[in-house]
Amino acid sequence: QKEVEQNSGPLSVPEGAIASLNCTYSDRVSQSFFWYRQYSGKSPELIMSIYSNGDKEDGRFTAQLNKASQYVSLLIRDSQPSDSATYLCAVTGGSYIPTFGRGTSLIVHP
Amino acid sequence: DTEVTQTPKHLVMGMTNKKSLKCEQHMGHRAMYWYKQKAKKPPELMFVYSYEKLSINESVPSRFSPECPNSSLLNLHLHALQPEDSALYLCASSQPTSGRSNEQFFGPGTRLTVL
Repeated sequence: QKEVEQNSGPLSVPEGAIASLNCTYSDRVSQSFFWYRQYSGKSPELIMSIYSNGDKEDGRFTAQLNKASQYVSLLIRDSQPSDSATYLCAVTGGSYIPTFGRGTSLIVHP
Repeated sequence: DTEVTQTPKHLVMGMTNKKSLKCEQHMGHRAMYWYKQKAKKPPELMFVYSYEKLSINESVPSRFSPECPNSSLLNLHLHALQPEDSALYLCASSQPTSGRSNEQFFGPGTRLTVL
């Protein structure tokens, strides 16, 4: 049984701070890792993909992957109230079909 | 173009009605998915089509009937639904590869209410 674990939160951070979202996975053959942002009542939006160990930066977002420790994280710098959403971690391994975590609710307060 | 479209946006139906949800993508993806999502829960996989063939049915009740007429279209036919089937129904697409380039993109969803 492949598992993807996320703390459901909510994670509350002040505006301008760094938000750190974490995800662990159980399947050692996992190859592809994704972060989705989902606003309340809307569909998930892909914001980051990462495939290799290390960091990948895109604007205010940085994804970090550590395959040895089986975790992937998402850092959001200079957090804005508009970043308030649920962040879903998804992982694929031997199959192309992703396994989703339960999501972490992020609240950025002014 | 990374767009997946879904119609209708909202649907209200009675338990005796028959309706269909539609999904379309033009990204050349050969895997298409139906998910059901309840409030504050992650998407729950229902069906997967790979190269227009049904490859996964996650023990979904027969009142949900998927159809993939071609590589760009995916339908979900609904019949005799129950109130507990009310949810956000999401369509997604990706390439059916296990390595890179298998990013999955979601449509905006159909908000279904069963009375």
